[in-house]
Formats: sequence, C-alpha cells, structure tokens
Amino acid sequence: GAVVSQHPSRVICKSGTSVKIECRSLDFQATTMFWYRQFPKQSLMLMATSNEGSKATYEQGVEKDKFLINHASLTLSTLTVTSAHPEDSSFYICSASAQSPYEQYFGPGTRLTVT
Amino acid sequence: TQLLEQSPQFLSIQEGENLTVYCNSSSVFSSLQWYRQEPGEGPVLLVTVVTGGEVKKLKRLTFQFGDARKDSSLHITAAQPGDTGLYLCAGADRSSNTGKLIFGQGTTLQVKP
Repeated sequence: GAVVSQHPSRVICKSGTSVKIECRSLDFQATTMFWYRQFPKQSLMLMATSNEGSKATYEQGVEKDKFLINHASLTLSTLTVTSAHPEDSSFYICSASAQSPYEQYFGPGTRLTVT
Repeated sequence: TQLLEQSPQFLSIQEGENLTVYCNSSSVFSSLQWYRQEPGEGPVLLVTVVTGGEVKKLKRLTFQFGDARKDSSLHITAAQPGDTGLYLCAGADRSSNTGKLIFGQGTTLQVKP
C-alpha cells in the first residue's frame, strides 16, 4: 500500500514553455501532498505544501506564480512550472501523507531539463 | 528553527563492514523517519520512530531514537552493495500541523563489492 505515482518521469522542454507534472496517490486518499526539488547528491528542498481544495502554502523563496500547484482531489496534485528557464532544470519529487501525517510516501520523481 | 544535522555526509566502505549514520538536533521531535533513496528515484520510507529510547530493526538495519527524542542513529551490519544509496533522516516540524518534515542533509553510502 501507500503508492504514489508521478508523471512524466522525464521531460525536456524549451526555455519559455510551461511543463505540468502530475502526482497521484494510487491506493489511499492524501489530504496533504508536498512538492520538493532536489539537486544532485543533496537532500530534499521543500517547495510547497498542498491541501485538497485549498491554496498551496509555499516555502520562503519559492515563487508561487512560477510554480503553480493545484490539488484538485484527494488523489491528485499537479505542479506546473511556468515559463521554464534552464535554471529550473532539476529533479522534482512529490509526496503524500496517508494516515500518519508525518509519514510521507514519495513518488518516483520527475527529471526536468530545460534547454 | 528546528534543524537536523546528519553525519557523515559521504561514506564509502567495503562489503561486509558495519557503519552508523547519525542524525542530531538541539530540538525535540515527536517522531523521526528514515528514508533511503536510490539515484533517479524517490525516497522510500524505512522506519518511523516515535518513543524516546526506541529501537527498531529491519533485517540488517537497526534504528534508534534517543531518550530525549533529539537524535537518532541508523546502524547497518555487514553492509552489502545493495545498501548503496542516499539515506535521509526527517523529523516532524512542530511549527506545522500539516505534516511538514525537516530533512537532514543526507548520507551518501557506497558499498563496494
């Protein structure tokens, strides 16, 4: 149980375009989903916390107009990187909480490359 | 601000050796999780410790939560190449009621055959 999927797993886009990443909890309802960014050989950096039906809470320094988060249902959250630039290239990972609020189950990640 | 200091950050050992990873803080955590992440994949939850002094075992992995719930350790016995990966400790952020976690810097473990 507690499986989280992410799509796509890898995406290459041109500078200035937008990219949407989907995060789904497959076998449980997730009240809260989290979006992280990870640089090579580093820990996870939390970007935002997303609750179903409400606006996402962004961490300090994360541009909410650039990283649009929508949590439309208890099993789906999306992250849209708008007007992507090469510096947005990174590994983006989502997670979801099940019964215990502090146990997060992670998706497999999305490798974004902006050319 | 709650912080988790994880050490060592990098560890390269031979197959069969033992190792310990530490996660320390000056703050008390209500719970602490350990995750393992392989390259190009998301972290996988290994264990959650909740009670001070708690010890949990997962095959060759032993997890301990400090009595004061400010620190934790992960000990691997007879490491194998399959244990290679990034190990992350994470504690519950007390200032948040949404389940937000504070992550340590991570320990990159390489086990050579």
